[in-house]
Amino acid sequence: DGGITQSPKYLFRKEGQNVTLSCEQNLNHDAMYWYRQDPGQGLRLIYYSQIVNDFQKGDIAEGYSVSREKKESFPLTVTSAQKNPTAFYLCASSIGGYPYNEQFFGPGTRLTVL
Amino acid sequence: AQTVTQSQPEMSVQEAETVTLSCTYDTSESDYYLFWYKQPPSRQMILVIRQEAYKQQNATENRFSVNFQKAAKSFSLKISDSQLGDAAMYFCAYRRRDRDDKIIFGKGTRLHILP
Repeated sequence: DGGITQSPKYLFRKEGQNVTLSCEQNLNHDAMYWYRQDPGQGLRLIYYSQIVNDFQKGDIAEGYSVSREKKESFPLTVTSAQKNPTAFYLCASSIGGYPYNEQFFGPGTRLTVL
Repeated sequence: AQTVTQSQPEMSVQEAETVTLSCTYDTSESDYYLFWYKQPPSRQMILVIRQEAYKQQNATENRFSVNFQKAAKSFSLKISDSQLGDAAMYFCAYRRRDRDDKIIFGKGTRLHILP
């Protein structure tokens, strides 16, 4: 089955620790994205990558880092510099390019920092 | 900067009835896409319907249709014959046609279906 997987579904970390969220896709998509969702809010873009070894900051990149070493994988690290990391994190991917390519979303990871 | 506003945080509708969710947006661009996404309790984001701004005809997908008013920058979603499985958060979203990166989301409307 083609799709996007995110693991784990729930993640707990102590304050001050870095944590890495996994996102893998087998759709052969070039572009991948990370969004953050807070209660009562829509999704906000953290980082995106349109090709391997390249990525750009979104609207709320501070305190986060990413890598894109493989086409299939786009892990997100939430660093200790992120002031309020508790949130729901969604990964998405698309074929990339113009004019229109639907973004497909993974099931998400709920991160709770204690 | 582009913005998307959903003024109804929650709505309820009787099963089998019709409901309309409202959305307004602000942009200086003339060519863009508008979307409605559904997020059920599983929290998986699902694309419900897409509208291309250069098309005057309103998009329709089975029981879901939109009323796109470009001049008024309004993009409402109508759900006909509401079903229990339609209960979810619904997000209105915008994307520039020439950019494959940022989708701008509204804050969502939680839709309850009353049996």
